Amino acid sequence: EPEVTQTPSHQVTQMGQEVILRCVPISNHLYFYWYRQILGQKVEFLVSFYNNEISEKSEIFDDQFSVERPDGSNFTLKIRSTKLEDSAMYFCASGQGDSGANVLTFGAGSRLTVL
Amino acid sequence: AQKITQTQPGMFVQEKEAVTLDCTYDTSDPSYGLFWYKQPSSGEMIFLIYQGSYDQQNATEGRYSLNFQKARKSANLVISASQLGDSAMYFCAMRELLSGNTPLVFGKGTRLSVIA
Repeated sequence: EPEVTQTPSHQVTQMGQEVILRCVPISNHLYFYWYRQILGQKVEFLVSFYNNEISEKSEIFDDQFSVERPDGSNFTLKIRSTKLEDSAMYFCASGQGDSGANVLTFGAGSRLTVL
Repeated sequence: AQKITQTQPGMFVQEKEAVTLDCTYDTSDPSYGLFWYKQPSSGEMIFLIYQGSYDQQNATEGRYSLNFQKARKSANLVISASQLGDSAMYFCAMRELLSGNTPLVFGKGTRLSVIA
């Protein structure tokens, strides 16, 4: 069963440091997403990415965040200067198309702890 | 405006019994998709079942079925013959389709505990 792979599984960082979370989506998928889940809360959309550009972003995705697909396989989320409130589980997801039944496959998540 | 509402923060069910997890949604888009995901304690998000707004029949996937009542804007998940491994958080999600590749929007989730 193809899967979305995320690294690292857990990262601890100091406030103000830059963090890069990495994702390898499913190989024939074209749509990529980042979501986050603050502990005990709901899963929130951050950004979607298609055809090498951002297609949609939420109000959470401010100038501190950026995404990149540096090569044919990786999809990264960068947080430029982390804040305490960035502590959360970050999920990468990918989908094959944009039709209604386009099921997003999620990775196992990267837990970010900002101290 | 909250698009997905899950009113049950926690539910308990006896092993082998059926359980219904509630989900209501709000949209003015006539074309949308409804999804349920399971999140076990290990943290990953596992897709369970999908229902399209134009689907005539309720979706079923093994022990999972979706009780889709379009006029009431509800998409409840029914799990039959509960197993201990069903203990997890369950998230209802929706995607509006008229405007293209809109993101999946999640509810706050329901924590299901299956009791032996």
